Amino acid sequence: QQPVQSPQAVILREGEDAVINCSSSKALYSVHWYRQKHGEAPVFLMILLKGGEQKGHEKISASFNEKKQQSSLYLTASQLSYSGTYFCGAKGGGSQGNLIFGKGTKLSVKP
Amino acid sequence: DAGITQSPRHKVTETGTPVTLRCHQTENHRYMYWYRQDPGHGLRLIHYSYGVKDTDKGEVSDGYSVSRSKTEDFLLTLESATSSQTSVYFCATGAGGNQPQHFGDGTRLSIL
Repeated sequence: QQPVQSPQAVILREGEDAVINCSSSKALYSVHWYRQKHGEAPVFLMILLKGGEQKGHEKISASFNEKKQQSSLYLTASQLSYSGTYFCGAKGGGSQGNLIFGKGTKLSVKP
Repeated sequence: DAGITQSPRHKVTETGTPVTLRCHQTENHRYMYWYRQDPGHGLRLIHYSYGVKDTDKGEVSDGYSVSRSKTEDFLLTLESATSSQTSVYFCATGAGGNQPQHFGDGTRLSIL
């Protein structure tokens, strides 16, 4: 079952904050976050394991709410370089399962 | 990133012709994956491999086959291409478990 990402798209001004959510109807073992710029390959950002661990990467951080089966990606003080499409990949049933990716959230940061 | 090379990078072909895409890695990762990316669908897994000659189907495997005769190479074959297989194809590799996947630069395939 494909995880649901929200919002589908968001437009920000430089310096503004954003939150991207990734929800699953099934129990999650881990959530992987990737960013893809137009015409390029997806690039790994971070992995969240069940247990509510919060991680950070530059000014991008994420959390994993096991009760809600949801992960949230937080982008603070956004920069132009943050523009792109963000994908979450959900893995259930243990570390050996495959990733199922959401449809993506397109983030546009304007000057 | 992770030494992944996809070839060709672009291909245009006709319906009914066979097509093979190649993924080559230099990282000695055990796992290799083929995804397709279409507008509005995100990344969908076609097939994956967990070792030499060990492969399995993903969620959209119909019309595709794969082979892995060496650790570093993973081939995706469209036996008889159809227009619905027009897409961008990404190869990814990883060590498995909780390790990240690393993606190649993609192959843009157009089937007329």
